[in-house]
Amino acid sequence: GESVGLHLPTLSVQEGDNSIINCAYSNSASDYFIWYKQESGKGPQFIIDIRSNMDKRQGQRVTVLLNKTVKHLSLQIAATQPGDSAVYFCAEQQGGSEKLVFGKGTKLTVNP
Amino acid sequence: KAGVTQTPRYLIKTRGQQVTLSCSPISGHRSVSWYQQTPGQGLQFLFEYFSETQRNKGNFPGRFSGRQFSNSRSEMNVSTLELGDSALYLCASSSVAGLREKLFFGSGTQLSVL
Repeated sequence: GESVGLHLPTLSVQEGDNSIINCAYSNSASDYFIWYKQESGKGPQFIIDIRSNMDKRQGQRVTVLLNKTVKHLSLQIAATQPGDSAVYFCAEQQGGSEKLVFGKGTKLTVNP
Repeated sequence: KAGVTQTPRYLIKTRGQQVTLSCSPISGHRSVSWYQQTPGQGLQFLFEYFSETQRNKGNFPGRFSGRQFSNSRSEMNVSTLELGDSALYLCASSSVAGLREKLFFGSGTQLSVL
C-alpha cells in the first residue's frame, strides 16, 4: 500500500551542527514531495518542496535531496538552531490529487 | 493576510455524541483539505473540497463527513463518536485545487472523546 516512512523517529544534534533527516517513500508514482515542520501546538508548516524531475533543491539553510532510484528523500538543515527543534514530516503527492501522504515524522531536538 | 483559522481549538465530547469542526481558509483560497493526526497513525487524509464539491476522500468510515460553503469555509462532522476518534484535526487550504500547490495548515482542533 502507499506509505511514506522515516528512518529515525528522533534525532538529537548540537546547536550549530548540520542535521539530516531521512525519509523513504514507497509509491513510485509520486511526483511531488514536501517537507513540513510541526512545532508543539501548531499545525505543520511548509519548509521546502521538490518535484520528481529534480534531485536537489535549496532554500534558506535547508536542502532537500531526492533519490528516485531508491525512493529516498532527505532534508538537510545547516547550522541547526534551537528554533529548529520540532517534528519534521515528509509528504508525497501524486499528480492530479491534492491528497498528501505523510510519513510518521522525526522529532529533532537541538541541544544548546 | 490571516492564516487558516480553525474553531474550536479544543473540544471534549463523550462517546456516541457528534461534533462539528469549522475551518476558515486563507482569503482567496478555494481548496480545503482535512487531516486527522494521532500519535499512532500520524497524519491521515480525510477529504478535500474545492468549490463546494468533495474531490477526494480518504479511508475513513461514513461517520466522517464534510462540506464546503460558497465562501470556501468548510466544516467537518463526526457522528457517533468513538474513543479512537480522539485526535488533532487539521484543516489546510490552497489557492487552487491544482497541482503543486502548497498547503497551508491551521493549528487544528484537538478533540478528546471520553
